[in-house]
Amino acid sequence: QVQLQQWGAGLLKPSETLSLTCAVYGASFSGYYWSWIRQPPGKGLEWIGEINHSGTTNYNPSLKSRVTISVDTSKNQFSLKLDSVTAADTAVYYCARNIVTFGGVIENAFAVWGQGTMVTVSS
Amino acid sequence: DIQMTQSPSTLSASVGDRVTITCRASQSISSWLAWYQQKPGKAPKLLIYKASSLESGVPSSFSGSGSGTEFTLTISSLQPDDFATYYCQQYNSYPLTFGGGTKVEIK
Repeated sequence: QVQLQQWGAGLLKPSETLSLTCAVYGASFSGYYWSWIRQPPGKGLEWIGEINHSGTTNYNPSLKSRVTISVDTSKNQFSLKLDSVTAADTAVYYCARNIVTFGGVIENAFAVWGQGTMVTVSS
Repeated sequence: DIQMTQSPSTLSASVGDRVTITCRASQSISSWLAWYQQKPGKAPKLLIYKASSLESGVPSSFSGSGSGTEFTLTISSLQPDDFATYYCQQYNSYPLTFGGGTKVEIK
């Protein structure tokens, strides 16, 4: 059974860089896209971006200038960096995996999620 | 970006009620829509993908319908475990976007 376990710093000061890592257990890294999604306290979900095993990325244009998602296939891990954080970046950050349906069709719905990491930006 | 609008934002219902949540897309997304259930402090759980396909392990009391710009999630008989917040998400085009959520509360 596939599991995602994530970790990273939970308290940052404005202008610092957010850094989170998600490890994949029990599943092949290839054949899927691996995403980061965030949720500010009491608010809805925002997709940040995704990466596949070969390093191909897609980013949300609203964050693209500050986001880097990378992959380390040797460790079955992928990571998120978000530069120059502000209080508006305070949120629970999730890593997630998309689904592959019958016939091998990749669909960007998320069936597997990490446990979430609360990141607070405060001076 | 494709905007996803859910209604209502809050819904009060009783155990056993039939509940319907609507999600509208700002442009056609074909059937590339997912529904999630989220409980406080937990990650979202996938219920429905491709508008009407039930994710494995999800009770058959949940169903999805629609295509184009209008979609619905129906719970045929609300159970105590179903009180939660529900989100729709489009994956027709990047950036992937979510609706604002519908909180299903106990009446």
